[in-house]
Amino acid sequence: DQQVKQNSPSLSVQEGRISILNCDYTNSMFDYFLWYKKYPAEGPTFLISISSIKDKNEDGRFTVFLNKSAKHLSLHIVPSQPGDSAVYFCAASVSGTYKYIFGTGTRLKVLA
Amino acid sequence: DSGVTQTPKHLITATGQRVTLRCSPRSGDLSVYWYQQSLDQGLQFLIQYYNGEERAKGNILERFSAQQFPDLHSELNLSSLELGDSALYFCASSLWTSPQETQYFGPGTRLLVL
Repeated sequence: DQQVKQNSPSLSVQEGRISILNCDYTNSMFDYFLWYKKYPAEGPTFLISISSIKDKNEDGRFTVFLNKSAKHLSLHIVPSQPGDSAVYFCAASVSGTYKYIFGTGTRLKVLA
Repeated sequence: DSGVTQTPKHLITATGQRVTLRCSPRSGDLSVYWYQQSLDQGLQFLIQYYNGEERAKGNILERFSAQQFPDLHSELNLSSLELGDSALYFCASSLWTSPQETQYFGPGTRLLVL
């Protein structure tokens, strides 16, 4: 049972345009969500997070939106840069459970 | 560089064998997490330790075990290995144990079971 789903395995975007990565979840108990970025041969690195009490969190070029009623979150990257090319994982957790549930990842390619 | 180290980087072994993966957390971090990433799969949470004690268990097989030592490094032991155990194994660490803490990941150990 995949509680966190990233239905797009890959995405290509032109440099300077917006990248939108999507993530859906099924467990309504999730109350904290994160995005991680992973380059080849490296471990994932934390990008941005959002608590369920918010619907938006922004950090520079990265913004995460949370739609609790739709059980959907998205990561917007504006403007996209070639260095953003990586695999992006969304993850969710329930307070007190001490673990993240990760999606399968979306490979973003930003074309110069 | 996240500050989390994992050894070895690569490991090739045969079915039925036993291996040990090692993780050193960031200096000062008390929590260690282990994840498995199989081909085309997301990261599957295996187990978490906090200051030497097991704190949470995920989809960890009975053939797998882990421990965290007094110096806070951790080892993941995989026994009676099967072809399907071939995967990337990541270790992550955080200062405390809240899910809202950032977890810092190591570069991973790539295990190939032949």
